[in-house]
Amino acid sequence: NAGVTQTPKFQVLKTGQSMTLQCAQDMNHEYMSWYRQDPGMGLRLIHYSVGAGITDQGEVPNGYNVSRSTTEDFPLRLLSAAPSQTSVYFCASSYSNLMNTEAFFGQGTRLTVV
Amino acid sequence: TQLLEQSPQFLSIQEGENLTVYCNSSSVFSSLQWYRQEPGEGPVLLVTVVTGGEVKKLKRLTFQFGDARKDSSLHITAAQPGDTGLYLCAGTQGGSEKLVFGKGTKLTVNP
Repeated sequence: NAGVTQTPKFQVLKTGQSMTLQCAQDMNHEYMSWYRQDPGMGLRLIHYSVGAGITDQGEVPNGYNVSRSTTEDFPLRLLSAAPSQTSVYFCASSYSNLMNTEAFFGQGTRLTVV
Repeated sequence: TQLLEQSPQFLSIQEGENLTVYCNSSSVFSSLQWYRQEPGEGPVLLVTVVTGGEVKKLKRLTFQFGDARKDSSLHITAAQPGDTGLYLCAGTQGGSEKLVFGKGTKLTVNP
């Protein structure tokens, strides 16, 4: 059981380049999300999706786009990379009941923008 | 303003010592989770607490949810080097599925 798979694990971009971070889950979870993790800042929510065809902004959405065409996949697009987007990015897949949400994370993508 | 405040930010102790880390908020949460993250890996769920006053034990780890569901604590007994990592608390509010994370407590247990 693969869980949440992120690719690539490492990436170096030049300022202004665009790229897509891939995320796939095999747990049939409806809810998926993208976070960035910076030193001393914890995990900050970029975008999230409550199901195929539905996405919404999180805490730090500027400079990022997402789409959710299938339950399994939730790619994150950087439109024009900036040094401020240097970070570690985590995709998460969650299940939820009335009182509880539990997230399963991928191994992360370490992105450097030069 | 951070919705979930974790303290301390850093903690370095010797093997065998006990420790407590805290996760506090002025807001009520439907549930709180604790995750542990090791270098180069994603966070891994340790426990979820959903009822005010709830206490859960996981071997040497004890988790408590405050009566008012605004805070939580994690107590580790007889810490071991394998407990080293970043401990993150996260919570959900109302009917939202969004998880809000604290900044984490970086724990180092020295042999």
